[in-house]
Amino acid sequence: EVQLVESGGGLIQPGGSLRLSCTASGFTVSSNYMSWVRQGPGKGLEWVSVIEAGGSTFYADSVKGRFTISRDNARNTLYLQMNTLRAEDTAVYYCARWYNYGLDNWGQGTLVTVSS
Amino acid sequence: SYELTQPPSVSVSPGQTASIPCSGDKLGEKYTSWYQQRPGQTPVLLIYQDSKRPSGIPERFSGSNSGNTATLTISGTQAMDEADYYCQAWDSTTKVFGGGTKLTVL
Repeated sequence: EVQLVESGGGLIQPGGSLRLSCTASGFTVSSNYMSWVRQGPGKGLEWVSVIEAGGSTFYADSVKGRFTISRDNARNTLYLQMNTLRAEDTAVYYCARWYNYGLDNWGQGTLVTVSS
Repeated sequence: SYELTQPPSVSVSPGQTASIPCSGDKLGEKYTSWYQQRPGQTPVLLIYQDSKRPSGIPERFSGSNSGNTATLTISGTQAMDEADYYCQAWDSTTKVFGGGTKLTVL
């Protein structure tokens, strides 16, 4: 069974850094495209980043230069390093597997709150 | 940057057909997927590659994509279909969600 479990969210001050983790089971992270998607309070879904199976990475303009997506093949885990956090980065962050041009499995999400 | 536009809300009577459009420049040249999100729940993939359904998704959900518009169609709408629906477009550089449509079943 495919499962994704996010962790690492919490309350952080503006300008701070946080690293989110997404541990996968039932499939191999490094063989798949993996994405981070976020949803601000009362808002819609926003695509954040993707790492392709070959290792190429892409980012939404809103996080480019501040966020870094990566993976640890040995741990079968996806990461999102978030630096220079802003209030507008407050959201539930989901990791999801990209398969056949659709995000077919999602984690339960982890809440990031950026506030002083 | 690329944008996808959805109507904020659509209403439908139980048993009727609901259509939710998603528009974007030359959207028909990109693959589109659709997601359902019920209140307090994680999004669920309904449609991928414009018109394909994952296993477990009821046949009443269908999708199409041509020109500048992709459409999610729900036939025989049920009360349990009341939710937010999001389209997403994929190509080598575009990975964006629409703003979402709240479907009300009255």
